[in-house]
Amino acid sequence: KAGVTQTPRYLIKTRGQQVTLSCSPISGHRSVSWYQQTPGQGLQFLFEYFSETQRNKGNFPGRFSGRQFSNSRSEMNVSTLELGDSALYLCASSPTGVLGTEAFFGQGTRLTVV
Amino acid sequence: TQLLEQSPQFLSIQEGENLTVYCNSSSVFSSLQWYRQEPGEGPVLLVTVVTGGEVKKLKRLTFQFGDARKDSSLHITAAQPGDTGLYLCAGYSGAGSYQLTFGKGTKLSVIP
Repeated sequence: KAGVTQTPRYLIKTRGQQVTLSCSPISGHRSVSWYQQTPGQGLQFLFEYFSETQRNKGNFPGRFSGRQFSNSRSEMNVSTLELGDSALYLCASSPTGVLGTEAFFGQGTRLTVV
Repeated sequence: TQLLEQSPQFLSIQEGENLTVYCNSSSVFSSLQWYRQEPGEGPVLLVTVVTGGEVKKLKRLTFQFGDARKDSSLHITAAQPGDTGLYLCAGYSGAGSYQLTFGKGTKLSVIP
């Protein structure tokens, strides 16, 4: 069974640009969550999607957005990039995303903003 | 906002030693999960604890969920270099919760 696939693995962008990251969940999983990981703040929740609907959103500015497609694949977009957006962006999939279910993480996308 | 505090933040020990990592909160969590993350990789789930007072063992790793479901601990016996990594605790706060809250992690180095 294939795991969670995130593309690209590494990305370098310039301040002010926008970026789109992609996540393909484990087959059959309908919940996809996104997290930002930085050395200072650890893993912080961005948003969660289930069956193309955003069910929960973390405390991030509106520059961070996402969507989920009918095949459960998900994308997140960051517009007007800032230096502070440099981080490891992790995607996690689970069958339902509800209480107690296992979340399986991808390897992440390392975004560097210069 | 529910927070999870992990301690210690960093831990460097010799191979063969025992260690305990703590995860504490002032809030009640319906369940807690422990992950291990290696550099350049995503976190990998080790265990989920659900019941207050629950103890789970995974080879040399012992996980405990506090009676009040506000804290958890991870004990490693006879640590090996392969145990090196970032240990993260995470929790769902309750019914209808669709997000995991993570602690900042304990970075463990086991020296051969």
